[in-house]
Amino acid sequence: GAGVSQSPRYKVAKRGQDVALRCDPISGHVSLFWYQQALGQGPEFLTYFQNEAQLDKSGLPSDRFFAERPEGSVSTLKIQRTQQEDSAVYLCASSQTTWGKGTYEQYFGPGTRLTVT
Amino acid sequence: KQEVTQIPAALSVPEGENLVLNCSFTDSAIYNLQWFRQDPGKGLTSLLLIQSSQREQTSGRLNASLDKSSGRSTLYIAASQPGDSATYLCAVRRGTSYGKLTFGQGTILTVHP
Repeated sequence: GAGVSQSPRYKVAKRGQDVALRCDPISGHVSLFWYQQALGQGPEFLTYFQNEAQLDKSGLPSDRFFAERPEGSVSTLKIQRTQQEDSAVYLCASSQTTWGKGTYEQYFGPGTRLTVT
Repeated sequence: KQEVTQIPAALSVPEGENLVLNCSFTDSAIYNLQWFRQDPGKGLTSLLLIQSSQREQTSGRLNASLDKSSGRSTLYIAASQPGDSATYLCAVRRGTSYGKLTFGQGTILTVHP
C-alpha cells in the first residue's frame, strides 16, 4: 500500500463506551507498533507486534486496553469503558525490519484522535 | 529508564534564520536516533535517522548530529522558511530492542514571513 492508514480519523466517545481503532500497515511489513500521544506531549509506546505475535505490551496503561493482529496484517486497538484520561491521538507505525537487521525505521499513520466526553 | 528531553519547547523565528533544536537522552546505549516532523492533524514524517556509529546526517537544509557519549543530538535547519513551521520530535531506539522508540516532548517551531 501507499502508506499506513488508520480509521477512524476522529472518534468521540462518551465515558464508559468501548472503542475500536484500526490500523492498516504497509503491505509486507512484519512489525507493527501502537503509540499514544497526549496533547502537547511526544508519543509514548503502547504495544508491539511481530506478525501476529504480540511481543511487548508493557506500555498499555491498564487492562482496559487490548490490541490484536490476528492475521499478521491489520491491527485493532480496543479500549473498554473509556475514561477522560484516554483522550489522545493514537498512532500506528509499521516497519519491515525484524530483530537485528536494518535500521528499524518506522512509518507512521495519520493517527486517530480520540475524545472522551 | 530512557528519558528524552527537547529544548526549547517552542521557538519563533523570522524567515531566513538558521536555527538549532536540541535533544538529550539519559541512556547512551542507543541503536539509533531519529528526528521527525509532525504537522497539525498529521502523522509523523521521518526527517533524518542517525545510526549510533555515525556523527551526523544531512538532507537538504537539515543537518542532524549525534554525540552518543554525552547523550546529545542537534537538528540544524538552515535558511528557515514558513513551510518549516511544525513540531519537531526527537526519538531514540535502544540497542537491545526490536525498534521501540522513546520520544521527547517536541519543539514547536514557528517561522514567520
